[in-house]
Amino acid sequence: DVKVTQSSRYLVKRTGEKVFLECVQDMDHENMFWYRQDPGLGLRLIYFSYDVKMKEKGDIPEGYSVSREKKERFSLILESASTNQTSMYLCASSLRTEQYFGPGTRLTVT
Amino acid sequence: AQSVTQPDIHITVSEGASLELRCNYSYGATPYLFWYVQSPGQGLQLLLKYFSGDTLVQGIKGFEAEFKRSQSSFNLRKPSVHWSDAAEYFCAVGDSGGSNYKLTFGKGTLLTVNP
Repeated sequence: DVKVTQSSRYLVKRTGEKVFLECVQDMDHENMFWYRQDPGLGLRLIYFSYDVKMKEKGDIPEGYSVSREKKERFSLILESASTNQTSMYLCASSLRTEQYFGPGTRLTVT
Repeated sequence: AQSVTQPDIHITVSEGASLELRCNYSYGATPYLFWYVQSPGQGLQLLLKYFSGDTLVQGIKGFEAEFKRSQSSFNLRKPSVHWSDAAEYFCAVGDSGGSNYKLTFGKGTLLTVNP
């Protein structure tokens, strides 16, 4: 079975802190994705990566950056966390179109 | 650009009743279509997918969905709902002609099951 893990289930950070969310997949997938999920808005794509060191902006990249130094790991970085980045963050990976999701990280910025 | 509409934000059914969740998509060619389920506090789990061929697809947990090109729909059905089906359901469309394999998700339908 495909397994996508995320470093934390719950995270509380202060405004202005630099935040790292880590995602690891064990199926040698080429593609990895970061979404944020907010009530009433569904899933919105922040960034995705289709190869090591390759990345593309999604629909809402502002305030975020990403890093993919190894195929299995995709990191989401909040350079200076703000309260409007309080959300559920979901990581996913795929070989082709079908995406597999991690359990999510509930981030609260105070 | 592709898009997905789930017209129902919240549906309540009684346990044992039948269920149909609606999904309409906008896409120029034959899309890849998916239904995912999300239990509270969890990630998304794939229920079923349509790529081509038979328009009625079977998934896990007794769910099925039917692709209707003429109506641009991919509705999810289950003949008899169980209390454990209470969750949020997301329809998604993928780009069959693209190379980056992004999915576009609907905003979700929250299912409540009454005993």
